[in-house]
Amino acid sequence: GDSVTQMEGPVTLSEEAFLTINCTYTATGYPSLFWYVQYPGEGLQLLLKATKADDKGSNKGFEATYRKETTSFHLEKGSVQVSDSAVYFCALVNTGFQKLVFGTGTRLLVSP
Amino acid sequence: DTAVSQTPKYLVTQMGNDKSIKCEQNLGHDTMYWYKQDSKKFLKIMFSYNNKELIINETVPNRFSPKSPDKAHLNLHINSLELGDSAVYFCASSQESRGVQETQYFGPGTRLLVL
Repeated sequence: GDSVTQMEGPVTLSEEAFLTINCTYTATGYPSLFWYVQYPGEGLQLLLKATKADDKGSNKGFEATYRKETTSFHLEKGSVQVSDSAVYFCALVNTGFQKLVFGTGTRLLVSP
Repeated sequence: DTAVSQTPKYLVTQMGNDKSIKCEQNLGHDTMYWYKQDSKKFLKIMFSYNNKELIINETVPNRFSPKSPDKAHLNLHINSLELGDSAVYFCASSQESRGVQETQYFGPGTRLLVL
């Protein structure tokens, strides 16, 4: 079945550091890919998405590019802030199925 | 206005009890979902309804019964609660379009603790 693999956390960075959170997927067909973020004590918010190969999703300084050749959707941000501390989930939805398949989540901790 | 709302936000109850969680969306979406997030933050789908019809049931115990009175509401009823049911339950909704994976919007979650 479809699956998503994320790097283990926590990822600990200082403010203004560069962020990469790796995400790879296994799926038949042509899934859409998503990054969701969960701030402490809150629900899930869509951060960005990409629906086809080579698409780049971007929001709030975060970016991820849908790479079909490497089945990856890595999340990047050039300069993180303390307020970016949260758990980040990579997810996919495959053609014909409406269920999101999530990775295990990666906790990001940003210190001043 | 909250797009996807859930009640209650917190639920503490004894083992063996029956409880319900309510979800409402005002986005005009026709598909709604329930996801479970365990203590390790792992998220997995439980159910999906499209226009009040069950379309996904992911091997969830029979003690869990979703009910959709209309396409804006999807409630989750849990019978005979067990310790392992302690988790955060998220409701979500999306607009179905043939062949297009529309974005799912999540509620704030219901934190269930079974004692």
